[in-house]
Amino acid sequence: NAGVTQTPKFQVLKTGQSMTLQCAQDMNHNSMYWYRQDPGMGLRLIYYSASEGTTDKGEVPNGYNVSRLNKREFSLRLESAAPSQTSVYFCASSEVGTARDQPQHFGDGTRLSIL
Amino acid sequence: KQEVTQIPAALSVPEGENLVLNCSFTDSAIYNLQWFRQDPGKGLTSLLLIQSSQREQTSGRLNASLDKSSGRSTLYIAASQPGDSATYLCAVRQETNAGKSTFGDGTTLTVKP
Repeated sequence: NAGVTQTPKFQVLKTGQSMTLQCAQDMNHNSMYWYRQDPGMGLRLIYYSASEGTTDKGEVPNGYNVSRLNKREFSLRLESAAPSQTSVYFCASSEVGTARDQPQHFGDGTRLSIL
Repeated sequence: KQEVTQIPAALSVPEGENLVLNCSFTDSAIYNLQWFRQDPGKGLTSLLLIQSSQREQTSGRLNASLDKSSGRSTLYIAASQPGDSATYLCAVRQETNAGKSTFGDGTTLTVKP
C-alpha cells in the first residue's frame, strides 16, 4: 500500500522557470492538500481540494496553481518560480465529512530549490 | 485566526524517562486534533487523532489528551527510547472550513541512550 506518492523528490530550478509537482494517493480519500514547510515558519497550507473538481486557497496560495485531475491525483504548479518558493513541499490526503474524520496521510515531500 | 503553539521547541531526555509534549491553540471551536511525528528528511506520520468529542486516545506507549475548553492537548510518551527521537507536531482542524488544519512548529525530541 503506497499511501501518498510525490514526484519528484528533489528539483532545482532557475528563477522564472515553471514546473509541476505531482501527487497521487491510493486510499480513495476525498480530500487532498498541498503544504510547504520552511524553517521557523512551520507547515503552511497552500491549497486544498475537498473533492474531485473543487479547490480552495489556503494560507499562502500566491504564485501557485493546482489541479485536481481526478480523485487520486492533485498537482501543484509553479508558473514562474521565485527564490522565495524554495521549500519542502508536502502533499497529504484524508477522508473528511464522514461520521468521523480520518487522519491526514502525508507523502515524503519534494525538496525544491530556486536559484 | 487559529494559532497553535508547541512548547518547548526542543527537549532532551535520557532513555527510559516518561515525558509530556504540549500543544496549545487559541480557538477552541475545533473539529479534531492530530499528533504527528516527523523524522529528518521525511514526511509526517500520523500518531493519534482525537475527535472534538473525545478526551484522549492511546496507542502503545503514546497517550494524547484534549481539553477543548482550555485550548490544550498533551502527548505523553512512556518509557522513552532513542528511536522516539524526532520532531512531534500537532495540528488542529476547525469546525468551519473542516478541510483545513493549522499546525504548530513542533517539538524536537532527543532521547539519549
